[in-house]
Amino acid sequence: AQKITQTQPGMFVQEKEAVTLDCTYDTSDQSYGLFWYKQPSSGEMIFLIYQGSYDEQNATEGRYSLNFQKARKSANLVISASQLGDSAMYFCAMREGLIGGSNYKLTFGKGTLLTVNP
Amino acid sequence: KAGVTQTPRYLIKTRGQQVTLSCSPISGHRSVSWYQQTPGQGLQFLFEYFSETQRNKGNFPGRFSGRQFSNSRSEMNVSTLELGDSALYLCASFLTEGQGGGAEAFFGQGTRLTVV
Repeated sequence: AQKITQTQPGMFVQEKEAVTLDCTYDTSDQSYGLFWYKQPSSGEMIFLIYQGSYDEQNATEGRYSLNFQKARKSANLVISASQLGDSAMYFCAMREGLIGGSNYKLTFGKGTLLTVNP
Repeated sequence: KAGVTQTPRYLIKTRGQQVTLSCSPISGHRSVSWYQQTPGQGLQFLFEYFSETQRNKGNFPGRFSGRQFSNSRSEMNVSTLELGDSALYLCASFLTEGQGGGAEAFFGQGTRLTVV
């Protein structure tokens, strides 16, 4: 079974509008972390935002926010006021056994290609 | 502070050859991981090193190997290259929680390997 599922292969959004990228996950661990990364065409993975499984508040970083619904096992990324430079692949990832463990393995979804139109 | 540096950026090799890729993590980061990214399989975990020891390994054949040096720099080696090894290879470094780091990984720009 897929541990990270991103159901939107591609998304389009108008500049200055908000967009939500979907991510659902599957784990039996109580302690885990969820991440979003942006990958422009240059290839580098750029860290955007992080949500820990025990965090009660949804994470926010500038124009990025993570809509964390633990019971539904979803961790959607919301980008507000989209910019042309936001056009890129976006990956949702999970790290399990976060607290007290030595697991530094990330499991990635297949990604969503976001295109921002002027 | 310099980011994660991967060399070379691009590489073309012939089937049957071997290749070595290099990764220098962010200064102070002791955990280094490698990932293979292909259009078909997406991002897949290869292995992770900490203090010169391999701690985790993904589901790849023995042709894929790695090592980490005392300065935390890491290399990965692929022997007897196959066409299917063509991919973007990404290196990531962590500042572990024990070192006071957060949970996120920092990635390099990758090495794009083409096997012909």
